[in-house]
Amino acid sequence: KAGVTQTPRYLIKTRGQQVTLSCSPISGHRSVSWYQQTPGQGLQFLFEYFSETQRNKGNFPGRFSGRQFSNSRSEMNVSTLELGDSALYLCASSDRTGAVEAFFGQGTRLTVV
Amino acid sequence: AQSVTQPDIHITVSEGASLELRCNYSYGATPYLFWYVQSPGQGLQLLLKYFSGDTLVQGIKGFEAEFKRSQSSFNLRKPSVHWSDAAEYFCAVGGLGTGGFKTIFGAGTRLFVKA
Repeated sequence: KAGVTQTPRYLIKTRGQQVTLSCSPISGHRSVSWYQQTPGQGLQFLFEYFSETQRNKGNFPGRFSGRQFSNSRSEMNVSTLELGDSALYLCASSDRTGAVEAFFGQGTRLTVV
Repeated sequence: AQSVTQPDIHITVSEGASLELRCNYSYGATPYLFWYVQSPGQGLQLLLKYFSGDTLVQGIKGFEAEFKRSQSSFNLRKPSVHWSDAAEYFCAVGGLGTGGFKTIFGAGTRLFVKA
């Protein structure tokens, strides 16, 4: 079984731009959760999608949004990028809602300059 | 809502020595408990999990963890550490909160292994 695939692996963007990150979960998994990881804040939950519906949301501003497609692939979008958005963005795939026993992708390293 | 605390930001052990990483959680009912490991620049890999039953759980790479309800703890142990175990370790707790089931991660403990 293929693992969780996140693209791109690395990204450099300028303040004010927007960015879209992609996550393909393990085949058969319907839950995709997104996390932001920074040295200062650790792993922070962004949101979870299950069968194309947002099931849960963390405490992030509305600039952070996501969606899930019928094939369970998910995208995360960040608009009006700020320097503080620089982070490793991790996607987790699970066959149950709530990121139970999740499988993680390698992440997308986003740098905002 | 659940929360999880990993009291040690970093730990250094000698290769071959035993290891214990601490994890304390807060949750009103029996939680789902996990330990994950992250190598630099990589995603997280599940080491082991506890849902119910035997409170001593075995995981991959020779790790084990013990659920102690009275202490609200789920400490990770390994009898003999290898240099390849150097990484960051995350304890996580899953449970029902407002908005549904959610898994929350601790801040992580970075393990250094000295020769």
